[in-house]
Amino acid sequence: DSGVTQTPKHLITATGQRVTLRCSPRSGDLSVYWYQQSLDQGLQFLIQYYNGEERAKGNILERFSAQQFPDLHSELNLSSLELGDSALYFCASSVGVAAGHTDTQYFGPGTRLTVL
Amino acid sequence: LAKTTQPISMDSYEGQEVNITCSHNNIATNDYITWYQQFPSQGPRFIIQGYKTKVTNEVASLFIPADRKSSTLSLPRVSLSDTAVYYCLVGDLRGKLQFGAGTQVVVTP
Repeated sequence: DSGVTQTPKHLITATGQRVTLRCSPRSGDLSVYWYQQSLDQGLQFLIQYYNGEERAKGNILERFSAQQFPDLHSELNLSSLELGDSALYFCASSVGVAAGHTDTQYFGPGTRLTVL
Repeated sequence: LAKTTQPISMDSYEGQEVNITCSHNNIATNDYITWYQQFPSQGPRFIIQGYKTKVTNEVASLFIPADRKSSTLSLPRVSLSDTAVYYCLVGDLRGKLQFGAGTQVVVTP
């Protein structure tokens, strides 16, 4: 158990819909990362937050957005869903002290999103 | 954009040493190289991290040459439970995190 929790575990929805994925980091971790993992794309970095502020952005679509709240939990919002958005979405957390340095990340169990 | 490449798969027998090399020619000057292990339907799990030369912990060793454009994860005496996908992770010169595509390691008796 990494200490990172994600809800829900599974999510099935239809094209065009909007969903919210939630992540609670390990106690004491200030950074939260979001990744998308699909069969043909591997692990794709989406976005990182540090103590409520966006720190780094990866290949995140404009239809996707995220935020980190004062209690440090994070939400990833996916809108206008398409079939190709079906994937495993992982959240990870780290201490996140040094900018520009890849901290050791602890991954949650993931949310499996299926878009029908 | 950083290109992080690693072999797609490697097969090994129990008790052998497995070495996986990852190429990361655009690694950021001050960034570390991290390796993760992933089992099916689970999140990746940290194995080892290093900046240069050699790092060893209780499960693996990491070899990084002076130019840091590659790194080699060494798994000594693998067992069946080491069958998993192994990923390298680096930050590129623009601060973006880049996972390799992953190396499927299959260990057979």
